[in-house]
Amino acid sequence: DAMVIQNPRYQVTQFGKPVTLSCSQTLNHNVMYWYQQKSSQAPKLLFHYYDKDFNNEADTPDNFQSRRPNTSFCFLDIRSPGLGDAAMYLCATSSLAGVENEQFFGPGTRLTVL
Amino acid sequence: GENVEQHPSTLSVQEGDSAVIKCTYSDSASNYFPWYKQELGKRPQLIIDIRSNVGEKKDQRIAVTLNKTAKHFSLHITETQPEDSAVYFCAASKSWNNDMRFGAGTRLTVKP
Repeated sequence: DAMVIQNPRYQVTQFGKPVTLSCSQTLNHNVMYWYQQKSSQAPKLLFHYYDKDFNNEADTPDNFQSRRPNTSFCFLDIRSPGLGDAAMYLCATSSLAGVENEQFFGPGTRLTVL
Repeated sequence: GENVEQHPSTLSVQEGDSAVIKCTYSDSASNYFPWYKQELGKRPQLIIDIRSNVGEKKDQRIAVTLNKTAKHFSLHITETQPEDSAVYFCAASKSWNNDMRFGAGTRLTVKP
């Protein structure tokens, strides 16, 4: 009964080699988020989709891109990973249909850059 | 934009004692304040939340208080247990855009 699923759980890539992280949800939520969380830090919002409407945070590097082909799936593309991009990447969803704001997080993908 | 500050960064208590974590926010338009618990290597999970139309909410050993005038809110855990040990994050957002900002986190250690 997993609600927010992330694949893979662990990803190792080489410096500069593109990588794609995947998130899917069974909640039918219209909002999906990508966060970057480095060790001992708070999750940092990279961007989010409200349905198909993409919202990029002002300080998110151009190196990070996202795609949402349908309601259930959202992808994070890192075009040229640097050593500083090694982190846990969390996907989350929420519904703005009513007054609920709770965000449901996936288990995360831990990215290692060699 | 919203800025959320959280204190303390680390907190160590004896089992059975209470723990209090405090957060302040800057945007008076924020109206939703969740608290997340994150155990090592796991996802953040919502433990309690409060909206700006109430001042206090309680769920068993966990309570949250909100002071809108002062723009601060606090998490209270009573009768702490070792399994309460984790990192706790506060957050603030506005219901119409759900742009959530997290505090820096508090690492709580409950010693048996």
